[in-house]
Amino acid sequence: GAVVSQHPSRVICKSGTSVKIECRSLDFQATTMFWYRQFPKQSLMLMATSNEGSKATYEQGVEKDKFLINHASLTLSTLTVTSAHPEDSSFYICSASETGEETQYFGPGTRLLVL
Amino acid sequence: GDSVTQMEGPVTLSEEAFLTINCTYTATGYPSLFWYVQYPGEGLQLLLKATKADDKGSNKGFEATYRKETTSFHLEKGSVQVSDSAVYFCALSGSGYALNFGKGTSLLVTP
Repeated sequence: GAVVSQHPSRVICKSGTSVKIECRSLDFQATTMFWYRQFPKQSLMLMATSNEGSKATYEQGVEKDKFLINHASLTLSTLTVTSAHPEDSSFYICSASETGEETQYFGPGTRLLVL
Repeated sequence: GDSVTQMEGPVTLSEEAFLTINCTYTATGYPSLFWYVQYPGEGLQLLLKATKADDKGSNKGFEATYRKETTSFHLEKGSVQVSDSAVYFCALSGSGYALNFGKGTSLLVTP
């Protein structure tokens, strides 16, 4: 089946630093990838839609200058949390869809803790 | 806008009990509907889906039917196992295929 990986699985950083999270589709090409954020015991909230070769589309309330998304190839999208603060601590999850398909396949998530 | 409402958990059942997790939705147009499952310490996995009214999605003994008249997509299983313990998310596919999730329902099955 379709597999999506994320790296790192867990990261701890100091306030003010930047953190990059990678999302890879391992056995299929993904024109579109999605980035979600999940708070403890809550649902996933869509942050942005990442399209290969074009700018990401951000949801209302998500700061595009803080959460930089790059989808440089059909198998890789990155999310960079710039100048991270403790309130950015969360579980970040990516998903990917095969080109032209509706079903999304999810990565295992990245737990970010900002001290 | 589009939204998904699912029953609050946690749900605790004995092994072999019947499971129903309710899910209703509000949407413009005709979205596809999904159930995802998140096992402890793992990412979300697609459990089943339905793309149009009256479609029934099924997988691993779980079933859900797309009911347009009641805007529902309830998840059912006739006999749950301990290994079914997880968090279940109902979701609909909106514009651009982005998913709109319910809050999740935690299921604990005891031996």
